[in-house]
Amino acid sequence: IAGITQAPTSQILAAGRRMTLRCTQDMRHNAMYWYRQDLGLGLRLIHYSNTAGTTGKGEVPDGYSVSRANTDDFPLTLASAVPSQTSVYFCASSEGSAYNEQFFGPGTRLTVL
Amino acid sequence: GQNIDQPTEMTATEGAIVQINCTYQTSGFNGLFWYQQHAGEAPTFLSYNVLDGLEEKGRFSSFLSRSKGYSYLLLKELQMKDSASYLCAVITDDYKLSFGAGTTVTVRA
Repeated sequence: IAGITQAPTSQILAAGRRMTLRCTQDMRHNAMYWYRQDLGLGLRLIHYSNTAGTTGKGEVPDGYSVSRANTDDFPLTLASAVPSQTSVYFCASSEGSAYNEQFFGPGTRLTVL
Repeated sequence: GQNIDQPTEMTATEGAIVQINCTYQTSGFNGLFWYQQHAGEAPTFLSYNVLDGLEEKGRFSSFLSRSKGYSYLLLKELQMKDSASYLCAVITDDYKLSFGAGTTVTVRA
């Protein structure tokens, strides 16, 4: 692994289903983030984690949950998907706080029908 | 909420210069980033400004005026590969990154 990876690359999901988007980084970065990107709205922060064992809410956290059991992994879970969660999801990491450059994963394109 | 404004689209000719403006009204200010995002790809870091003035990095430069809530990204000697979206992002007072909607730059031959 080099950098930050996400899985799956894309997914079509029925409304009401549970889905976990995976994110793994091998840079030993303390901070990790989940964003969604929608046309005309830019990137919006869903949840973040400043260090393993801690998480926080971003701008649009409703309907999503995260966990940070270790430094490398930061999964995002949709407990019961709804069509408005159709989006491209980006995971990112940075060495420390928001002052540092964020490195983004390749993204997951999610469609909820 | 945070208010970060950028033009939606810009078009320029190969070899020319383009300036992408970003104005912000946010709850606090702790720095400003510019990212580049090619279609279908992840954003990648271009620049970071926290003090007033111009930061130059090769063909790209970024300017910040904190008193005016204003930044611009200057792309010189445009190349076809510079066709992309350019995202302005502000670190707000809760130390999170808030993004503008992005400016799509199209470079024509």
